Parts: sequence; structure tokens; C-alpha cells
Amino acid sequence: SQELEQSPQSLIVQEGKNLTINCTSSKTLYGLYWYKQKYGEGLIFLMMLQKGGEEKSHEKITAKLDEKKQQSSLHITASQPSHAGIYLCGAAPFSLGSNYKLTFGKGTLLTVNP
Amino acid sequence: SQTIHQWPATLVQPVGSPLSLECTVEGTSNPNLYWYRQAAGRGLQLLFYSVGIGQISSEVPQNLSASRPQDRQFILSSKKLLLSDSGFYLCAWSVIGSGTQYFGPGTRLLVL
Repeated sequence: SQELEQSPQSLIVQEGKNLTINCTSSKTLYGLYWYKQKYGEGLIFLMMLQKGGEEKSHEKITAKLDEKKQQSSLHITASQPSHAGIYLCGAAPFSLGSNYKLTFGKGTLLTVNP
Repeated sequence: SQTIHQWPATLVQPVGSPLSLECTVEGTSNPNLYWYRQAAGRGLQLLFYSVGIGQISSEVPQNLSASRPQDRQFILSSKKLLLSDSGFYLCAWSVIGSGTQYFGPGTRLLVL
């Protein structure tokens, strides 16, 4: 089965600083999904990457998928307290057809100090 | 637009009691539906998924069951709760053919 490892497990940054969260897969990814979760709430979809070398941005958050499609990074520029939460990566195994079952990493807890 | 609801938001139940958690989706038809459990330090664990009414696939052998009596309704049940059933339960939906899943607000279950 596919496993996703996220690093770091937790991260504390000062407001305004940049940061990067990594997600590494044991197998080639068909799709890589980034979600954000605030404690006690549901997951909010951020973005999805599918092509090797792909990069997407949403406001101050940029996600990249490496050429080999086994590692993704999430980069936040000029962090703000609103960025605080748990970031989870999820992955679909290669070519599942129409019924997608995602495997998730354990998450990275981000704290942004004002 | 599509929305997903879960209730109750919080539940405290004694060991051995039954359980019924409900999830409904609005604004879409024939979605894939999912039940996850999130436990501290263990990440998100897929429990069940459904591709249509009455079609349920179980991912992990356990004390729980799922049903889909209507197209946009997904129910998680147990006849007798165990302490180990405590956790945060999340329902999600996706469009068939798309891997992007959209999550509900979750139900926090505490079994005492």
C-alpha cells in the first residue's frame, strides 16, 4: 500500500517568515492533494497536482510536484496567523479508474506567532 | 453550490451503546461518499466508501458498519460501541472520475 511521509511533523514560525512542508511517497503518485485543517474542523481542499514538475499557487501558498512524481512541497510566503493549522497531503495511487481512494499523510502542524 | 453536512457535531456515548452518525450532501448527484476516522497521531484512516446506493466497501475490519439508503445520504453505525471507537469522524464526497474529496465538518465521538 502507498505511504505518505510528511515533514516536519510540526513547525513554529514568526509571522512574515516563509516556510516549506514536504510530502514524500513510497510509490509514484497519480495525484497529490493538499488540504488544510483547523483543529476540530473538517479538511479544506487547497490544490491538486498531477503532472510531474507541476506547480500551482493559491494566494500565498505554492505547491510543487517533482518530476518523478514522488515528492511534493508546500511553500507559504510571508506567513500570517491565518495560515496556522494542520496541513495534510493526500495521494491517489496510480490509475485507479473512477473510484479514487486517497491515502493521507499524518499532517504537519503549523503555528504562526504574531 | 455543493455542501456537506454531518451530525451530530459532538457525541458522548457509553461503552456498549449503539451509534448512528449521519452525513448528507447537497447540490450534486451520484457522488462517491467516504467515512474517515482521525485519531491523534494516526492520521486519517479510510473506513468505508460508496460508489452508489446500497454499495458499500469496507477498508478496515472493525466494529462499525456503513449504509447508503439514499443517493446523497451516508450513515455510519455501530451496534455496540467500544472505547477504541472514540475519535473524530469525517465524511467526504467526490465527483465520480475526480479524486478531489470535499470534507464535512466532522463529528467528535467520545466513548466512555
